[in-house]
Amino acid sequence: NAGVTQTPKFRILKIGQSMTLQCTQDMNHNYMYWYRQDPGMGLKLIYYSVGAGITDKGEVPNGYNVSRSTTEDFPLRLELAAPSQTSVYFCASSPQNPTNEKLFFGSGTQLSVL
Amino acid sequence: GEDVEQSLFLSVREGDSSVINCTYTDSSSTYLYWYKQEPGAGLQLLTYIFSNMDMKQDQRLTVLLNKKDKHLSLRIADTQTGDSAIYFCAESDGGNTGKLIFGQGTTLQVKP
Repeated sequence: NAGVTQTPKFRILKIGQSMTLQCTQDMNHNYMYWYRQDPGMGLKLIYYSVGAGITDKGEVPNGYNVSRSTTEDFPLRLELAAPSQTSVYFCASSPQNPTNEKLFFGSGTQLSVL
Repeated sequence: GEDVEQSLFLSVREGDSSVINCTYTDSSSTYLYWYKQEPGAGLQLLTYIFSNMDMKQDQRLTVLLNKKDKHLSLRIADTQTGDSAIYFCAESDGGNTGKLIFGQGTTLQVKP
């Protein structure tokens, strides 16, 4: 019963460094999402994917890239880390159009850029 | 664009009822949701309501929807210390991609 697994749980980056946040789900869900959570700001959608090979921008995509080569994995890439990317990042998935299905969330990655 | 607003903090005594309020802007939303986030964890769906309903009850939870005023509320009866968490209101964006628009979250503090 792994569900949605995110790694790492915590990371500190220096300005300009790059890293990949990993997300994998074992529920064969088509829809996957990356959100960032800033204090008092709720969750903002970064990127999403409706199936393998298909990705699209969300509300705050600048500074990030994604890929979806398999149904299971949806990594989020930060190429040149900036302090504004300090946040908690959540990956989520849903079996189909989640308008009437719940999102399954991972436990989050806390990222600090110093 | 779409926007979802919530108050940031609510404090209640154990055993009291809690009411968390939310306003939204997108009248085309089909579903509205309440998610719960416990410390250090991801969000978990608590309940949701279809836009053609006024009320939904699920054990200690009551969701009220006023479409005219675009107002959604979550009432937790007999609030327990285990209910302490952040509660997020969310609306679907009306499209077919499943994107949700989240509010800022309301931190519920339950005092013993």
